[in-house]
Amino acid sequence: AQSVTQPDIHITVSEGASLELRCNYSYGATPYLFWYVQSPGQGLQLLLKYFSGDTLVQGIKGFEAEFKRSQSSFNLRKPSVHWSDAAEYFCAVGHQAGTALIFGKGTTLSVSS
Amino acid sequence: DAGVIQSPRHEVTEMGQEVTLRCKPISGHDYLFWYRQTMMRGLELLIYFNNNVPIDDSGMPEDRFSAKMPNASFSTLKIQPSEPRDSAVYFCAARTGAAEAFFGQGTRLTVV
Repeated sequence: AQSVTQPDIHITVSEGASLELRCNYSYGATPYLFWYVQSPGQGLQLLLKYFSGDTLVQGIKGFEAEFKRSQSSFNLRKPSVHWSDAAEYFCAVGHQAGTALIFGKGTTLSVSS
Repeated sequence: DAGVIQSPRHEVTEMGQEVTLRCKPISGHDYLFWYRQTMMRGLELLIYFNNNVPIDDSGMPEDRFSAKMPNASFSTLKIQPSEPRDSAVYFCAARTGAAEAFFGQGTRLTVV
C-alpha cells in the first residue's frame, strides 16, 4: 500500500540553525514527491517537487530536498531557519497523472530565538 | 487566476443539520480532490473527480457524505445529517496532469 511516513511530529530549531525534516515513502512505482507547507488557518503551499532527473531539488524560500531511492526517502533541508518558517510541513507522494496525492501526518516546526 | 476558492471559510452548525461546502477549482485543471484534515488522522482523501466524473470515492466515510461536480467550475461536498465527529477542516484541491495539486484555503467545519 502507498504510504508516507514523517517520523517527527514536532521539531524545534533555533533561528539561524540548519533544518532537516524527514520523509519516507512506500510506493510501488517511481514516485512523484512533494513538500508542502501550511501556516495556521491557511491552505497548503507547494515548497518543491521531484519528478525525475537531478535528485537534489531546489524550492521556494531557500528549501531543498534530496531524493534517495535506496532509502525511500525525500528529506527536506534548509541551511538557516528564519522565524517565519514556523509552520507545519507535509510530505506527499503521487504517481501518474491525475492520481491523488498521499500525505504524511506532517511535522510541526517551531523556531526559537 | 485566483486559485482554488472555497466557501464558506468557517461553518458552525448544529448536529443533524445539512452542511454544504463549495469549491471553485482553477480553470483548466481537470482533476479535483476533496480532503479532510483532523489532528488525529491528518489529511485524508475523501473523493476525487476527473473531468467532472467521480473516479474514487472510497475515502468518503459514510453515506451521510456526498459530493458532486456539475461542471468544470464548481463542486460541492454535502454532509447530511451532520455529526460532531465531522468537525474538521475540509480542503479542495485541483491538479492537471502530473503537476502539483493546488489547494484552497479550506473550510473549517464545527458541528455542535
